[in-house]
Amino acid sequence: GAGVSQSPRYKVAKRGQDVALRCDPISGHVSLFWYQQALGQGPEFLTYFQNEAQLDKSGLPSDRFFAERPEGSVSTLKIQRTQQEDSAVYLCASSLPTQETQYFGPGTRLLVL
Amino acid sequence: AQSVTQLDSQVPVFEEAPVELRCNYSSSVSVYLFWYVQYPNQGLQLLLKYLSGSTLVESINGFEAEFNKSQTSFHLRKPSVHISDTAEYFCAVDNFNKFYFGSGTKLNVKP
Repeated sequence: GAGVSQSPRYKVAKRGQDVALRCDPISGHVSLFWYQQALGQGPEFLTYFQNEAQLDKSGLPSDRFFAERPEGSVSTLKIQRTQQEDSAVYLCASSLPTQETQYFGPGTRLLVL
Repeated sequence: AQSVTQLDSQVPVFEEAPVELRCNYSSSVSVYLFWYVQYPNQGLQLLLKYLSGSTLVESINGFEAEFNKSQTSFHLRKPSVHISDTAEYFCAVDNFNKFYFGSGTKLNVKP
């Protein structure tokens, strides 16, 4: 079956630009997660949804970061007024609520110039 | 707060040699433990996991990991590696749906 998909795969933004990153979870997966992976580091938790409810956003680094999942399926991570330190790979993962395993998408590589 | 330490950032090894990738975690509560693998230009893939029960867990491609509660470790081992095992390996702890990852170990298998 189809896995988690993310778009775009690569994004180059000028500093100050707003960007929107999309995640399509595995069909039927209720839980959805966003992670940020800086170069040479492991992924770091950003936020977590169960259906359309954002249950944990403790990892969002600033109020420039905003995530939504209005219909409980596709999710968008928006970054406003991008800064160079936002350059990273943004990973999306999904899971069933009764499963502990998270299934990851290929990521979106964001480069802010 | 949870933390995961992977002490070795890179591990070079010759083909057919054994390998151990180390992972230590800090946690005051019970956790679930995972190893994920990331092949070049691909996403993270689950390799194996420990949830409960037997402390030794195995993957389908010959890797195994042992949960050691007293040492708070979850080291990954393979008795004989193959060129195709070249990848980056991440250890992770799941605490109430929040994953904490180590910084990764790059396994480089040489012919």
